Amino acid sequence: TQLLEQSPQFLSIQEGENLTVYCNSSSVFSSLQWYRQEPGEGPVLLVTVVTGGEVKKLKRLTFQFGDARKDSSLHITAAQPGDTGLYLCAGGSNYKLTFGKGTLLTVNP
Amino acid sequence: NAGVTQTPKFRVLKTGQSMTLLCAQDMNHEYMYWYRQDPGMGLRLIHYSVGEGTTAKGEVPDGYNVSRLKKQNFLLGLESAAPSQTSVYFCASRQTGISNQPQHFGDGTRLSIL
Repeated sequence: TQLLEQSPQFLSIQEGENLTVYCNSSSVFSSLQWYRQEPGEGPVLLVTVVTGGEVKKLKRLTFQFGDARKDSSLHITAAQPGDTGLYLCAGGSNYKLTFGKGTLLTVNP
Repeated sequence: NAGVTQTPKFRVLKTGQSMTLLCAQDMNHEYMYWYRQDPGMGLRLIHYSVGEGTTAKGEVPDGYNVSRLKKQNFLLGLESAAPSQTSVYFCASRQTGISNQPQHFGDGTRLSIL
C-alpha cells in the first residue's frame, strides 16, 4: 500500500508570513498533484508535477517534486487570508490517486 | 458547464437503512471515482470505474456497492447503513487514466448514520 505523509497537519500563521508544507512517501509516483479544498466544497487541482526535480510556480506558490519522485513540497510566500484552506497532496499511479491526510492552513489577518 | 454534480447534498439515515448516492458528470470523462473523507484521514478511495459498465474496488470498499450503467453516471449504494459510514462522500471524474490529468470533484454529500 502506498502512503503519503503530509506535514504539518495544522498550520496557523499571520498574513505576510512564509510557509512550507511537505509531502513524503517511501514509494515512487509517476506524478504528484496538489489540491486545495475550501469548506463545503470538493478539492480543486492547483498543480501537477511529473519530472523528478521539477519546480513549478503559481503566483506566490512554489511546488517542487523530489529528484527520486517520492516527495514534494509546497511553499507559499507572503501568505494572505485567501490562502486559508486544506491542502492535499496526491500521488498518481495505476489510474488512481493516493491522497495525503492534508494540511489545514489558517492565515490570520 | 456543471462539471460533477452530486445528489443529495445532505442526508440522515438510521442504522440498517439503504440509500443511493448519485454522481453525474457532463465532461464525457471515462474514469470516475468515489471517495470518503473523514477528519484526520484524508480522502480514501471506495470504488472506481474505468469506463461504462466497469467497476473496481478501492482502498475501503466494504459495505458499499457501485454501478456505472451510463458513462455520465456513477452510483454509490449503501445496502445496510452503519454509523461507521457517517462521512462526507466525494465523487470525482477524470478524462482518462493518465495520472497527470486532474480529477474533477463534486461538492460532496454529507451523510450521517444514526
